[in-house]
Amino acid sequence: QQQVKQSPQSLIVQKGGISIINCAYENTAFDYFPWYQQFPGKGPALLIAIRPDVSEKKEGRFTISFNKSAKQFSLHIMDSQPGDSATYFCAASREDNYGQNFVFGPGTRLSVLP
Amino acid sequence: NAGVTQTPKFQVLKTGQSMTLQCAQDMNHEYMSWYRQDPGMGLRLIHYSVGAGITDQGEVPNGYNVSRSTTEDFPLRLLSAAPSQTSVYFCASSPRPSGANVLTFGAGSRLTVL
Repeated sequence: QQQVKQSPQSLIVQKGGISIINCAYENTAFDYFPWYQQFPGKGPALLIAIRPDVSEKKEGRFTISFNKSAKQFSLHIMDSQPGDSATYFCAASREDNYGQNFVFGPGTRLSVLP
Repeated sequence: NAGVTQTPKFQVLKTGQSMTLQCAQDMNHEYMSWYRQDPGMGLRLIHYSVGAGITDQGEVPNGYNVSRSTTEDFPLRLLSAAPSQTSVYFCASSPRPSGANVLTFGAGSRLTVL
C-alpha cells in the first residue's frame, strides 16, 4: 500500500528546460513534505522541503508547489542542467507515538540531455 | 565528520545464511532507521529507533532484527536470508525523533541473496 504516489517514473528533459515531478498523498496527518535527490551509488540527500501551511517554497532553481486541498505537491526544476540528472524522491512524514517516520514515493529518474 | 557509515558496501549470501549490516553515526543523532530500496518501490522503512534501547517496526520488518545498545550504532540483522531480501539497504539518522528533521543517509549496502 503506497501512501505517497509519484509520477512520472522517468523523465527526460533538454538542458535549460523545466523538469516537473508530481506527488500525491492520502493521509491528512502528514505535516512535512521533503524532496530527496539521489545520485547513482550514493544515498539520498535532502534537496528541499515544505510545510503544509505554505503553498510554495523556492530555493535557487528548485521550487516546491503545495496544494493542501488536493493533497498534492510537486517539484519544479528550472533551467535544468545535466548535473541535475538523478533520482528524485518525494516523501511525507508525520509524528506518531514514537516520533516522526517518513513515507517515500517510488522515485523519478531524471535525465537532462546536454 | 564521517556522517553515517555503512558496512559492508556489497555482500553476497546464500539462502539461509545470516549476516549483520552495520550502521554507525558520529553526529549524536537520537533517531536512526533502516530502509530498503527496490526498483519501483522507493524507500521502505524496515525498523527504526528513537534512542538507545528503543526500537520499533516499520513497514517491512519481517526477516530482520535490530538493536540499539548505543547512540552511535544501529545494526540490522538478517536471520535467515531469502532471495526476496536482495536489495539495497540504507541506514539514515536525524537529530531528534520528532519535528521537521533532515534524514542523513549512508551510502548504502547492496545485498544479493542467491
